[in-house]
Amino acid sequence: TQLLEQSPQFLSIQEGENLTVYCNSSSVFSSLQWYRQEPGEGPVLLVTVVTGGEVKKLKRLTFQFGDARKDSSLHITAAQPGDTGLYLCAGGGDSWGKLQFGAGTQVVVTP
Amino acid sequence: GAGVSQTPSNKVTEKGKYVELRCDPISGHTALYWYRQSLGQGPEFLIYFQGTGAADDSGLPNDRFFAVRPEGSVSTLKIQRTERGDSAVYLCASSSRLAGGLNTGELFFGEGSRLTVL
Repeated sequence: TQLLEQSPQFLSIQEGENLTVYCNSSSVFSSLQWYRQEPGEGPVLLVTVVTGGEVKKLKRLTFQFGDARKDSSLHITAAQPGDTGLYLCAGGGDSWGKLQFGAGTQVVVTP
Repeated sequence: GAGVSQTPSNKVTEKGKYVELRCDPISGHTALYWYRQSLGQGPEFLIYFQGTGAADDSGLPNDRFFAVRPEGSVSTLKIQRTERGDSAVYLCASSSRLAGGLNTGELFFGEGSRLTVL
């Protein structure tokens, strides 16, 4: 059972468009991480947010942690084909490295 | 290599057989994690080692699953009497613990071992 719900499950857009994916939970997390995973590879960390209301920007990616630390969003501006991948959010609790992952959002960006 | 190395990359076995999956973490990383990822799902926590000891094994689904890390480096995940439901990609990750122990350290994942139980 995934405690973190990600939406949408699948997103297909054209190059240059913007997109937002969401990660929601009824639980409070001490931290929230976003990963991107490509086929045949392990997830790669994009960002960690730890403070409620925190916003972090990584080039064209903007990450936000909800005020109550239960939800997060990832916004990509002017998507490129290289942004294609499975985006996973993961909530951290008290146990170091024991992350609760969502099921992921598969993003496909076509040229 | 510089990253987390997992072997085998693919393993096909028959129901009831014993399987071992190996993880070689990034040199110097004291923490090592095993996760399992089923098709269409995110990774699911299995067990975490800090050094040689299992700090948290609450994610192991049952007593058919066991993991060791005898020298604090390489780890082996062992699955006895495999079942078809064990089919998944088994991911290993390692990290360095940050000062203060905050759960914000980056996990570096390997490419995984894909296990198929026929």
